[in-house]
Amino acid sequence: QLQVRESGPGLLKPSETLSLSCSVSDASIGRSSHNWAWIRQPPGKGLEWIGRISSRGSTTYNPSLSSRVTISVDTSKNEFSLTLTSVTAADTAVYYCARDRWINYYPTYSFDSWGLGTLVTVSS
Amino acid sequence: SALTQPPSASGSPGQSVTISCTGTSVDIGEYNYVSWYQQYPGKAPKLIIYEVTKRPSGVPGRFSGSKSGNTATLTVSGLQTEDEADYYCSSFAGINSYVVFGGGTKLTVL
Repeated sequence: QLQVRESGPGLLKPSETLSLSCSVSDASIGRSSHNWAWIRQPPGKGLEWIGRISSRGSTTYNPSLSSRVTISVDTSKNEFSLTLTSVTAADTAVYYCARDRWINYYPTYSFDSWGLGTLVTVSS
Repeated sequence: SALTQPPSASGSPGQSVTISCTGTSVDIGEYNYVSWYQQYPGKAPKLIIYEVTKRPSGVPGRFSGSKSGNTATLTVSGLQTEDEADYYCSSFAGINSYVVFGGGTKLTVL
């Protein structure tokens, strides 16, 4: 059973850089046909897609965040990471990593395995 | 732009309820990549519908999806108390190849 788990600091000050990692268990990112995604949810609000990365490192980002976001993959550690620069209070959210599932070598643009989420709070 | 969902929906046990998700001609209207997620408070979302109508293994058959034009619909038939949760739709948006979510609908089982 595939498992993904987020890790990283839970408290940041405005203007700092958010860095989170997502470890993947029971599946090899490097040999996977799936993509891997970051999604966030501000407290009491809806979901927002941040971006995706393929096992080969190809990325796509939400246009509203693209100037501040980087997603990278480390196949040797079987994990992928999120970096978000110049954070503000508006970036306070639960951050989820998830598998962006492909079936029979075609994308479905759906997320079938989610981490538990990690709350990142931006406050001075 | 985010997809548009009603903030709330409700029904009694055993009834059917529908939740709409309205997009545009560049997302829902153009692609059959609509997904639906169920989320309980404090928990991660769970995929219940993908590619408009398909259910992942283990999802009860009372959950079904459809699409007409720029609007997708989730139908929950034979409502059960455990269906009380937040539901989110999402769609592939070809421009910039990104994914957009709806604002979520809180389903209450009366």
